[in-house]
Amino acid sequence: AQKVTQAQTEISVVEKEDVTLDCVYETRDTTYYLFWYKQPPSGELVFLIRRNSFDEQNEISGRYSWNFQKSTSSFNFTITASQVVDSAVYFCALRVHGSSNTGKLIFGQGTTLQVKP
Amino acid sequence: DGGITQSPKYLFRKEGQNVTLSCEQNLNHDAMYWYRQDPGQGLRLIYYSQIVNDFQKGDIAEGYSVSREKKESFPLTVTSAQKNPTAFYLCASSISSGGLFNTEAFFGQGTRLTVV
Repeated sequence: AQKVTQAQTEISVVEKEDVTLDCVYETRDTTYYLFWYKQPPSGELVFLIRRNSFDEQNEISGRYSWNFQKSTSSFNFTITASQVVDSAVYFCALRVHGSSNTGKLIFGQGTTLQVKP
Repeated sequence: DGGITQSPKYLFRKEGQNVTLSCEQNLNHDAMYWYRQDPGQGLRLIYYSQIVNDFQKGDIAEGYSVSREKKESFPLTVTSAQKNPTAFYLCASSISSGGLFNTEAFFGQGTRLTVV
């Protein structure tokens, strides 16, 4: 069975603080993909990053960085020097690559991030 | 501009009514998906379609129906059999590479359905 757990339901920080959003996944497949999406108040999910299971390189994009560790089945997301515009719900998602490759995304429950000025 | 358009943005349904949510994409994507989002929960898959004239049930298909007559369109009907339809509905699409769906999915802006 596949599962994604985002244990942090809500996080509140003050602007310019760094914040890390945790994501732990479960799958028995050896090939899979991990994603992070941002959902601003408007409702649309905005794609942030995709990582495949064979690529454990960490990635940095501006103030965003991602730490993928297969040993702990985690794919954590860090925002450096947070800004009010970062306030949103963030979802971690998993897609497996097995024989039933349907493109289905399995989502965590989401973490609501509030950045206060 | 390429993207996914969902309409309407807000929809109100009376008890016992069927309602249809529209989803159109001009990204030339093969696969389309419907997800339901409830407060405090992640997105759950209702139906998906990998190709025209074919679709499959997701995790919570009961009380819903879909059609895929055109590549661009994947409407979702919420039937009266759906006992708790109040939720936020998101449509998504993704491209296939050699029949495999390995890329990110793109999402519409959602439809908020309320039963009155």
